[in-house]
Amino acid sequence: SAVISQKPSRDICQRGTSLTIQCQVDSQVTMMFWYRQQPGQSLTLIATANQGSEATYESGFVIDKFPISRPNLTFSTLTVSNMSPEDSSIYLCSVDSTGGQSYNEQFFGPGTRLTVL
Amino acid sequence: AQKITQTQPGMFVQEKEAVTLDCTYDTSDPSYGLFWYKQPSSGEMIFLIYQGSYDQQNATEGRYSLNFQKARKSANLVISASQLGDSAMYFCAMSSDYKLSFGAGTTVTVRA
Repeated sequence: SAVISQKPSRDICQRGTSLTIQCQVDSQVTMMFWYRQQPGQSLTLIATANQGSEATYESGFVIDKFPISRPNLTFSTLTVSNMSPEDSSIYLCSVDSTGGQSYNEQFFGPGTRLTVL
Repeated sequence: AQKITQTQPGMFVQEKEAVTLDCTYDTSDPSYGLFWYKQPSSGEMIFLIYQGSYDQQNATEGRYSLNFQKARKSANLVISASQLGDSAMYFCAMSSDYKLSFGAGTTVTVRA
């Protein structure tokens, strides 16, 4: 299974600022995904980050608010822009380590716990 | 559109007993995957078990087994011989087009 790390593990930010979250994988993967988990809620997919092309956003999420970079096959960043207290969540990246060949390999990073004051 | 339903918001189980967590799903895709994840209070998502829609046998991984009933569109997780460390939130998820849709989750509390 892929080993995934995220930075920072947690942060407390002021409203109106932006935070960039990094996701690093120990092997090359085709697909990386970013999820949000609001307090007491389930996980919701924000976007799919593909190397060499723009991220694909899910309904309700826009690039201006959550810009994503995917410079290579082992790394991605998610920026939470112009933050408000409603953005307080756990943000998780996940990877499909099979290159889209199978459904059975979806692993998550440890998450970034964000609090916006 | 896909929908995952977990109807049990919370469950208590005695240590060493088995517990079944319910999950039903709805999809029109002929090929899909079903996952269970464990999320302890630390927030990480721990992969437990996977079942493919075309798999003939129910998946098992150690103390975890998935009771897959395709006609009923259910994928219940069974945890045998519960341990105190099993106390956590458990999420059922379904993959389609390589993206995961999650249920609301079930909180499991194991009592000594």
